[in-house]
Amino acid sequence: EIVMTQSPATLSVSPGERATLSCRASQSVGVYNLAWYQQKPGQAPRLLIFGATTRATGIPARFSGSGSGTEFTLTINSLQSEDFAVYYCQQYSDWPLTFGGGTKVEIK
Amino acid sequence: EVQLVESEGGLVQPGGSLRLSCAASGFPFSSYSMNWVRQAPGKGLEWLSYITSSSSTIYYADSVKGRFAISRDNAKNSLFLQMNSLRDEDTAVYYCVRGAPGKRFHYFDPWGQGTLVTVSS
Repeated sequence: EIVMTQSPATLSVSPGERATLSCRASQSVGVYNLAWYQQKPGQAPRLLIFGATTRATGIPARFSGSGSGTEFTLTINSLQSEDFAVYYCQQYSDWPLTFGGGTKVEIK
Repeated sequence: EVQLVESEGGLVQPGGSLRLSCAASGFPFSSYSMNWVRQAPGKGLEWLSYITSSSSTIYYADSVKGRFAISRDNAKNSLFLQMNSLRDEDTAVYYCVRGAPGKRFHYFDPWGQGTLVTVSS
């Protein structure tokens, strides 16, 4: 099983600042087999990024993904109030599909 | 608009069974793979099961293999999860999730609103 590790567990950021979230895989998941999701309290997760770098439909340009192999990053530029949430990465290189433990982005 | 609506969960005793259903609309259901993902209270996300559009391929997480069964009825645009031998640790919100287009990539979009299953005596 590919283990996904996200860091930090909690990130305190002021509105308007940049947030950088990390996701590490226990083995290579290739170039395209990584997705990011956003989950707000009481809501279902929402797809933000797939293929490591491609924004899903309707996702603002301030969200960007990068990385390949075992190291991936989600960057949120100029954080808006609606961006404070929990973010999960997910690999789909191999079965079972696995998620990271999540990073909570909170208001500083 | 793409919609995935799970049936109501509920309280089940340990060792009991429950069948979840998911009604899909707004897209050609028979053309997409589908999944179930769960989230225990206050915890992260756990993928449970995958089924191809034609039901020809099915995968399970080890945590539910042999106890849960995924199925679908393309004529009724419905996905199902039969859960048997339920344990306390199966308590979670269960999400019905559409798979990516095609067969190569397996990300999830969109997600249903989720249904809470509580296993307790």
